[in-house]
Amino acid sequence: DQQVKQNSPSLSVQEGRISILNCDYTNSMFDYFLWYKKYPAEGPTFLISISSIKDKNEDGRFTVFLNKSAKHLSLHIVPSQPGDSAVYFCAAKAASKLTFGTGTRLQVTL
Amino acid sequence: DAGVIQSPRHEVTEMGQEVTLRCKPISGHNSLFWYRQTMMRGLELLIYFNNNVPIDDSGMPEDRFSAKMPNASFSTLKIQPSEPRDSAVYFCASTRLAGVNEQFFGPGTRLTVL
Repeated sequence: DQQVKQNSPSLSVQEGRISILNCDYTNSMFDYFLWYKKYPAEGPTFLISISSIKDKNEDGRFTVFLNKSAKHLSLHIVPSQPGDSAVYFCAAKAASKLTFGTGTRLQVTL
Repeated sequence: DAGVIQSPRHEVTEMGQEVTLRCKPISGHNSLFWYRQTMMRGLELLIYFNNNVPIDDSGMPEDRFSAKMPNASFSTLKIQPSEPRDSAVYFCASTRLAGVNEQFFGPGTRLTVL
């Protein structure tokens, strides 16, 4: 039973445009949400996070939005750059544990 | 600062053999996590330790899997006997305190069981 779902396995976006990655969750006990970025042959690296008491967090080109009533969060990257091409994992935290989605592969094309 | 260190980076073994994966967390980090990544299930938490003590091993798939943390700077994940379905990338992550949100991941060990 996947508590964190990323329904789009892949996404292709043109350089300079906005990338929107989506994530849905089912567990109301999650109190913190994170996005990780992963390049091939490397471990995931932390990108941005948001507390469950907020609905938006922004860091440079990256913004995460949280809609608690819909149990949905999204990551916006604007403008998208070729170096953003990677797999993005959504993660949700309850107690000390992170539950990850299956990832979305983002390809930013020239 | 050295990040989380994992060894080996790649392991190819035959079914039935014992496999040991190793992890050195970031110095000063008190919590350590073992994950497995597969295409179908993404990143799954297998087990985590606080101050070298296993806290939650509910993600360990079978008794063939075991993990130890004999001291603050070293942990092992052992599979005995290994099976082809264990083929995956295994990640170790650490964090300063269990309640801290961000975990720092190692580069992973790609395991192939033939």
